[in-house]
Amino acid sequence: QQQVKQSPQSLIVQKGGISIINCAYENTAFDYFPWYQQFPGKGPALLIAIRPDVSEKKEGRFTISFNKSAKQFSLHIMDSQPGDSATYFCAARRRWGGNTPLVFGKGTRLSVIA
Amino acid sequence: EADIYQTPRYLVIGTGKKITLECSQTMGHDKMYWYQQDPGMELHLIHYSYGVNSTEKGDLSSESTVSRIRTEHFPLTLESARPSHTSQYLCASSEGTGWSHTEAFFGQGTRLTVV
Repeated sequence: QQQVKQSPQSLIVQKGGISIINCAYENTAFDYFPWYQQFPGKGPALLIAIRPDVSEKKEGRFTISFNKSAKQFSLHIMDSQPGDSATYFCAARRRWGGNTPLVFGKGTRLSVIA
Repeated sequence: EADIYQTPRYLVIGTGKKITLECSQTMGHDKMYWYQQDPGMELHLIHYSYGVNSTEKGDLSSESTVSRIRTEHFPLTLESARPSHTSQYLCASSEGTGWSHTEAFFGQGTRLTVV
């Protein structure tokens, strides 16, 4: 059973446009929601993360929107650039007697075209 | 740049061979993880460790084993490789600070092909 559901699987956006990737979760014990970015031949790297006590977090062109009641969170990439072309993973972690491993969504392959 | 290293980067090996994938980190992190990444991108947790002499199985059933004798080292062993083990293997580590959430740093991965 997929604990974190991510969509879309792939996304093509024009340069300068807004890229939006959505994730949904069921486990209300999750309390940390990071997004990871992976380039070909590299391991994933943390892009931005949010905790459920805030509804939005912004870092540069990247914004996480969080809806606790709907158990959904999304990544928005403003002014998308070709260099943003990568695979993006949402993830979640539950606090259960301490840190537990991240569970990941299936990933979204983003292509930003000029 | 994360100080977590995986070797080898690429490995092609015959069926039935025993292999060990190496993972080392120099950040002094307590927690280490192995993920299997399939061609469709999805990451599956196969093993993790909360510290020396601690190992746990992850969500994905795996025929591999791990050990954690030293904080910085978390090798993954396949006793008898099969074509179904062909995949990308990613190692990660994070700082163990109790209730706080900390970033997981990933290595570059080992791409394993079993023929």
